[in-house]
Amino acid sequence: NAGVTQTPKFQVLKTGQSMTLQCAQDMNHEYMSWYRQDPGMGLRLIHYSVGAGITDQGEVPNGYNVSRSTTEDFPLRLLSAAPSQTSVYFCASSSRTPREQYFGPGTRLTVT
Amino acid sequence: AQKITQTQPGMFVQEKEAVTLDCTYDTSDPSYGLFWYKQPSSGEMIFLIYQGSYDQQNATEGRYSLNFQKARKSANLVISASQLGDSAMYFCAMRDSQDSNYQLIWGAGTKLIIKP
Repeated sequence: NAGVTQTPKFQVLKTGQSMTLQCAQDMNHEYMSWYRQDPGMGLRLIHYSVGAGITDQGEVPNGYNVSRSTTEDFPLRLLSAAPSQTSVYFCASSSRTPREQYFGPGTRLTVT
Repeated sequence: AQKITQTQPGMFVQEKEAVTLDCTYDTSDPSYGLFWYKQPSSGEMIFLIYQGSYDQQNATEGRYSLNFQKARKSANLVISASQLGDSAMYFCAMRDSQDSNYQLIWGAGTKLIIKP
């Protein structure tokens, strides 16, 4: 059982480049989320989805887009990378009334 | 408004001693859940324990227990008989339905270092 998978694990971008962070889960979870974690801080919610076709903004959505065309996949798109987006990105999934949120291994992104 | 507060940025504890990591929260939603996660230096987020607001008993999972004091809005994590492998960041998080549609709100974390 793969759980939550994220690709890539590491990425270096130049300012202005765009890219997509991939996230997939095989647990048939309705809820999926994207967080960023900056050094010495907790996780901040970027975007989330409560089901296929439904997405909403979290605490820090600017500069990011998401879509949820299937239950399994929830990609995060960086439109025009900025150094302020250097961070570790976590994807997570859970059932509707979660007693646990399952995390992917994270993507470490550096924008130069 | 900050909903989860972890007041201890860092703690040093002697191996084999018990550890209490503090977490206070704020919500007016009667139905909520509280989570603790461990993040070792390798970076992954490891689920430890969950407490629902309507759960009758304090949650326990092996060496982890949650000291849930609803009236005080606190959900402290207790680690019994600490081990060197417990050295990590520990995050408290809360789920309610008020602003975040059941998404988790996170505290800033406590860095725990176990001394041999």
